[in-house]
Amino acid sequence: GNSVTQMEGPVTLSEEAFLTINCTYTATGYPSLFWYVQYPGEGLQLLLKATKADDKGSNKGFEATYRKETTSFHLEKGSVQVSDSAVYFCALSERSTLTFGKGTMLLVSP
Amino acid sequence: DSGVTQTPKHLITATGQRVTLRCSPRSGDLSVYWYQQSLDQGLQFLIQYYNGEERAKGNILERFSAQQFPDLHSELNLSSLELGDSALYFCASSVGAGPSYEQYFGPGTRLTVT
Repeated sequence: GNSVTQMEGPVTLSEEAFLTINCTYTATGYPSLFWYVQYPGEGLQLLLKATKADDKGSNKGFEATYRKETTSFHLEKGSVQVSDSAVYFCALSERSTLTFGKGTMLLVSP
Repeated sequence: DSGVTQTPKHLITATGQRVTLRCSPRSGDLSVYWYQQSLDQGLQFLIQYYNGEERAKGNILERFSAQQFPDLHSELNLSSLELGDSALYFCASSVGAGPSYEQYFGPGTRLTVT
């Protein structure tokens, strides 16, 4: 079946540091890939998506590239802010339902 | 604000009881999904409806059922509740039903079973 593996957290960074959160997936076909973010006490918000190989999704300074050859969709940001502290979920969709990774908590200190 | 509303926000009930969670999708969205988020299982897909019809089923227990009404709102019914059913239940909606459609999540209903 489909699965998503994310690096375990928490990831602790200082403000303005570079961020990478690794995500790899297993799927039988050609899924769409997503990153969602969950702030404390809130629901999930879509951060970015990519629907085919080599597509790059980007939003609010975050980027991720759909790499079919390595089955990966790593999340990156060049300079994190304290307000980026949240839990980040990588997810795939092959038919229409989402399969999520376990989430990676990001803590950014001033 | 995603435009997806869920009620109630919090629910505390006893084992063996039955509860109903309600979701209103974003205006224009035809597809509704239910997900369960717990510490041990993470985020798991339960069930999807599209324009009133069941479209996909995930790890949904037989004690749980759902439906989507003609006005497109959806209800998730949980019965014979057990302590392990305590979790956050999210509803999401999308315009269509395919894999590339973006799903927008509601704020969730936190269920506590005592």
